[in-house]
Amino acid sequence: EAQVTQNPRYLITVTGKKLTVTCSQNMNHEYMSWYRQDPGLGLRQIYYSMNVEVTDKGDVPEGYKVSRKEKRNFPLILESPSPNQTSLYFCASSLEGVTDTQYFGPGTRLTVL
Amino acid sequence: KNEVEQSPQNLTAQEGEFITINCSYSVGISALHWLQQHPGGGIVSLFMLSSGKKKHGRLIATINIQEKHSSLHITASHPRDSAVYICAVRRPGGSNYKLTFGKGTLLTVNP
Repeated sequence: EAQVTQNPRYLITVTGKKLTVTCSQNMNHEYMSWYRQDPGLGLRQIYYSMNVEVTDKGDVPEGYKVSRKEKRNFPLILESPSPNQTSLYFCASSLEGVTDTQYFGPGTRLTVL
Repeated sequence: KNEVEQSPQNLTAQEGEFITINCSYSVGISALHWLQQHPGGGIVSLFMLSSGKKKHGRLIATINIQEKHSSLHITASHPRDSAVYICAVRRPGGSNYKLTFGKGTLLTVNP
């Protein structure tokens, strides 16, 4: 089954404790992206990757890091989480970019205390 | 003013009604997506449009490039259609890797 998976689905952590949210797709997609969703603000792009070893900033990259060492995986790293990073995070992938159908992961609800 | 505006923000309908959700954007675009998000659930892509009209089951999406406007129609609405519907656009000349999202329309269909 074609899918995008994210782990963990739920996470409660404390300020400053490094964490990684994993994202994996099994569709051989070149494009992957991370979004955060906040009430009243909608979805906003954090980082995206056009292919292995190629990443770039979205609209709200501060406080986040990403890497793309393999085509299927695109982890989101929070080196020192802060309460303002409490949010619902989605990973998405598509064949080549945003003019292709986007496939979203199930979401990760992160709470930073 | 957001680049992508959706209306209405909230919509309540009775089962069987015809539903229209609107998306307007302030700059020209080269692609527009309609997405569906069920409460507590993930996001599913419904349509990707660059012109004209697309239909899938009871869902119809139209786009008018000149008027910078797209509509999502649901015919014979059902309670399972209750969800947030999100419009997203790719700006022409801009990156093929960035989307700008509307804030969504919350649809509730009552039985």
